[in-house]
Amino acid sequence: DGGITQSPKYLFRKEGQNVTLSCEQNLNHDAMYWYRQDPGQGLRLIYYSQIVNDFQKGDIAEGYSVSREKKESFPLTVTSAQKNPTAFYLCASRKDRDAYNEQFFGPGTRLTVL
Amino acid sequence: AQTVTQSQPEMSVQEAETVTLSCTYDTSESNYYLFWYKQPPSRQMILVIRQEAYKQQNATENRFSVNFQKAAKSFSLKISDSQLGDTAMYFCAFIRILTGGGNKLTFGTGTQLKVEL
Repeated sequence: DGGITQSPKYLFRKEGQNVTLSCEQNLNHDAMYWYRQDPGQGLRLIYYSQIVNDFQKGDIAEGYSVSREKKESFPLTVTSAQKNPTAFYLCASRKDRDAYNEQFFGPGTRLTVL
Repeated sequence: AQTVTQSQPEMSVQEAETVTLSCTYDTSESNYYLFWYKQPPSRQMILVIRQEAYKQQNATENRFSVNFQKAAKSFSLKISDSQLGDTAMYFCAFIRILTGGGNKLTFGTGTQLKVEL
């Protein structure tokens, strides 16, 4: 089945450690996105990538890094510089030149810093 | 900057009744899209309905319809014949088309809808 997978579903990290969240899609979508979801704040854009080997900062990029070496993959690293990383993280993708510009979402990863 | 406001943090409705969720947005863009997403307890984001800003006709999708008032920058969602499975967090979202063909989504803070027996 085509879709977006995120792993792991739950992730625990000690303070001061970097951690990488995986996002893979087999929809042949061009653009990929990372969002952070906190209670009462909706979704906020962290980073996005419209093509391979290119990405742009979103609204809350500080303390995060990404790479886009393959069209199917857009991993997000939460670094120790991120002051409050405990949150729910959602990955999304979009087909370029899609008439409706719809973004499709993965199931999410819940990150907890201990 | 674009902002999306959902002023109803929580709502409840009886099964089979109709409920309307409100959303307002602020933008100076002329080319944009509006969406309603649903996030059930599984936390999977699911697209409910979409509206192109240049279309005056309100979008409908089965039991879901919107009231799009472009001049007032209002985009409300009406759910008819509410079902227990409609219980979820509903997010209004605004898409701005970027130069070069990309897009950027801005979300509201969500409305938690509970459908009761």
